[in-house]
Amino acid sequence: ETGVTQTPRHLVMGMTNKKSLKCEQHLGHNAMYWYKQSAKKPLELMFVYSLEERVENNSVPSRFSPECPNSSHLFLHLHTLQPEDSALYLCASSQGRLGLAGGPRLFGPGTRLTVL
Amino acid sequence: AQKITQTQPGMFVQEKEAVTLDCTYDTSDQSYGLFWYKQPSSGEMIFLIYQGSYDEQNATEGRYSLNFQKARKSANLVISASQLGDSAMYFCAMREGRLTGGGNKLTFGTGTQLKVEL
Repeated sequence: ETGVTQTPRHLVMGMTNKKSLKCEQHLGHNAMYWYKQSAKKPLELMFVYSLEERVENNSVPSRFSPECPNSSHLFLHLHTLQPEDSALYLCASSQGRLGLAGGPRLFGPGTRLTVL
Repeated sequence: AQKITQTQPGMFVQEKEAVTLDCTYDTSDQSYGLFWYKQPSSGEMIFLIYQGSYDEQNATEGRYSLNFQKARKSANLVISASQLGDSAMYFCAMREGRLTGGGNKLTFGTGTQLKVEL
């Protein structure tokens, strides 16, 4: 089953750069998530959007700014990042009550971010 | 205290054998859900199986089954007839609290790296 796409797949940026990660799904799912996966650490939830409204903001630094313009697209805007922000950023989606009890049903392939 | 504990950083199993990946959880909620995901080396997370706290029977999905022992707060994943393609990192996760209309938070464990050998 395919359906969640992420671009770019790899990104290298300096600490003063501004970049954006993009996530897209056309499955009719009504919730989208950003997760951060760092080496040797559990997957960390960053943001959840349900019906385009942010319902979870897990104490993420303000240098990460999410945007959900519609139910099919989710962005993560990055600015003045730190080297410790280097990680795999995963987007996921789910169908809420109609999905598998609210957990992310599908993940995208992730964006491997390196901050120099 | 960690909410999800996976005590096996790495596991080996021979092809066609069954393997159990351990997961224990900690919650004071009565309503919660338990998930298992697989992450191959390609990086994409794949949902495998779900168990609700009120489900009376253990969940099964093909070769995957979840050994749910509520009193012990364990939700071990059993993979039967292992295949080479099962080699991956496996994550246990928990959703606490009642299901909301969408966008529920999961807490993940640190994962178990499974390697299937010939």
